[in-house]
Amino acid sequence: DIQMTQSPSPLSASIGDTITIACRASQSINRWLAWYQQKPGEAPKSLISGSSRLQGGVPSRFRGDGFGTDFTLTISGLQPEDFATYYCQQYYDFPPTFGQGTRVEIK
Amino acid sequence: QVHLVQSGAEVKKPGASVKVSCQASGYTFIDYVIHWVRQAPGQRPEWMGWINAANGNTKSSQEFQARVTITRDTSAATAYMELSSLRSEDTAVYYCARQYDSSGFYFFDFWGQGSLVIISS
Repeated sequence: DIQMTQSPSPLSASIGDTITIACRASQSINRWLAWYQQKPGEAPKSLISGSSRLQGGVPSRFRGDGFGTDFTLTISGLQPEDFATYYCQQYYDFPPTFGQGTRVEIK
Repeated sequence: QVHLVQSGAEVKKPGASVKVSCQASGYTFIDYVIHWVRQAPGQRPEWMGWINAANGNTKSSQEFQARVTITRDTSAATAYMELSSLRSEDTAVYYCARQYDSSGFYFFDFWGQGSLVIISS
């Protein structure tokens, strides 16, 4: 199985900050990477697919980038509702696998 | 809009089985694949398997292959996941999720609210 590793965790930030979460795959996954946001007690919410394609309704302050093994999720101008845990997921190979998550907490 | 509504929490004894349901609305049920993903407390999500709602074909992770059964009822627009021979490590929230499109890529655009399953003697 492809291993997905995220950093950092946790990540402490203030409202208005720009933050970047990294996700690394154990082998190349082309652009087949997704990002999800999860708040306590809720289901994951899809943010980005194909490394950089925003899902409908996702604010433009979220940006995904990367190819191959290294990917990033950047949130520009952190809002109160953005404090959550973020997971990356590869869907290049079977089975799909998730990173361990990055919890974004208030500094 | 798309909604996936799951059945409620369950408490089961070790060795028992649990069946979780996922009722879809807001889209044509048979046009999409439904996946099952579980998340143990404080852990990353873990993919379990999928069902093609149109033809009932299924595929599951090697880890769960022997214990998981995924079915669907097209008349009720509902998918089901049954896990047998439960053990304490199966305590988790179980989610259903819709596959984004028919490309075969396992990206999940909508998720159910989750069903907590607790295994306790």
